[in-house]
Amino acid sequence: EAQVTQNPRYLITVTGKKLTVTCSQNMNHEYMSWYRQDPGLGLRQIYYSMNVEVTDKGDVPEGYKVSRKEKRNFPLILESPSPNQTSLYFCASSLIRGSNEQFFGPGTRLTVL
Amino acid sequence: GENVEQHPSTLSVQEGDSAVIKCTYSDSASNYFPWYKQELGKRPQLIIDIRSNVGEKKDQRIAVTLNKTAKHFSLHITETQPEDSAVYFCAAWVNNAGNMLTFGGGTRLMVKP
Repeated sequence: EAQVTQNPRYLITVTGKKLTVTCSQNMNHEYMSWYRQDPGLGLRQIYYSMNVEVTDKGDVPEGYKVSRKEKRNFPLILESPSPNQTSLYFCASSLIRGSNEQFFGPGTRLTVL
Repeated sequence: GENVEQHPSTLSVQEGDSAVIKCTYSDSASNYFPWYKQELGKRPQLIIDIRSNVGEKKDQRIAVTLNKTAKHFSLHITETQPEDSAVYFCAAWVNNAGNMLTFGGGTRLMVKP
């Protein structure tokens, strides 16, 4: 089944404790991205990747890191999480770039205390 | 960068009525405009999209119109049903060096039976 998976789905952590949210797609998509969703603000892009080893900042990249060592995986890293990073995070992928249908993962609800 | 504004933020209609959601964008170079539907607790899913070389696109009860001169596009849902209740997001993509998809703030549509 073609899909985008994320893990974990729920995470409660404390300020400053490094964490990684994994994202994987099995559709051989070149374009992958991370979004955060906050009430009233819609979906804001954090980082995106056009292909392996090619990543770029989105609208709200501060406090986040990403890597794209393999085509299927695009982990989101929070080196020192802070409470303002409490949010719902979605990973998404599309065939070649943002001008194609984005397939979203199930979401990761992160709470930073 | 691109800015997308979406109105209204909430919309309540009676079953069978029509619903219209409007978005405006700032970058005249934007050329791809998707609409996503997000049901409660679920991931966003593409319901319709339009490219800048087309003024209108229809898929059963859903239609999208685009006015490039005025830089706005709209989602029209006819004969609304309770299952149309969800949050709807518009987005715009610019074909330039930055391959970001910018989303509006979302519209919560409630269809009353």
